[in-house]
Amino acid sequence: ELKVEQNPLFLSMQEGKNYTIYCNYSTTSDRLYWYRQDPGKSLESLFVLLSNGAVKQEGRLMASLDTKARLSTLHITAAVHDLSATYFCAVDRGAGSYQLTFGKGTKLSVIP
Amino acid sequence: EAEVAQSPRYKITEKSQAVAFWCDPISGHATLYWYRQILGQGPELLVQFQDESVVDDSQLPKDRFSAERLKGVDSTLKIQPAELGDSAMYLCASSSPFTSGSYEQYFGPGTRLTVT
Repeated sequence: ELKVEQNPLFLSMQEGKNYTIYCNYSTTSDRLYWYRQDPGKSLESLFVLLSNGAVKQEGRLMASLDTKARLSTLHITAAVHDLSATYFCAVDRGAGSYQLTFGKGTKLSVIP
Repeated sequence: EAEVAQSPRYKITEKSQAVAFWCDPISGHATLYWYRQILGQGPELLVQFQDESVVDDSQLPKDRFSAERLKGVDSTLKIQPAELGDSAMYLCASSSPFTSGSYEQYFGPGTRLTVT
């Protein structure tokens, strides 16, 4: 059974600081997704990582994937308040299923 | 920009009552998913459709939940009877990995269910 673990689950950081969210998963997969969710809202797709060594960047967020280590990171550079949200990683279960298993999410609060 | 539509956005129901949620995926998306998200948790897959066929409903509590996608377009998820533990956000997502080669799942706004 695929298990996806994120850490930390809660993160409070000051504006202007850098930090990294980690996503570990238990079985082989070639596709990993990062989503953002604001309170009471749906999920917004941030990144889709499709291969080992993939790196994608959008604004202050950068995601990377190491399939050998079964690890993805979401790096936040010079955080701003607007980045406050819950961030989920999700891993494709593979075998052509196109089904996602989500982590529990990391609730990020950026403090002015 | 095309979006996944869901209704209602909010639903309050008493336990033992029946409730239904509707989802209209992005046009052309053959794959449709229903997820349940309990507060403070990540979404969990309930059922996956490919066109009108169920691909996987192994996590759907079939004694009370049912899902259909009769014409392979929009879909309905039903709960009967509702229980207090069913209070959650129900999210619909769609994708088209087999036709467009895009692996992204696009999520609708969700239906927030409260069972009293």
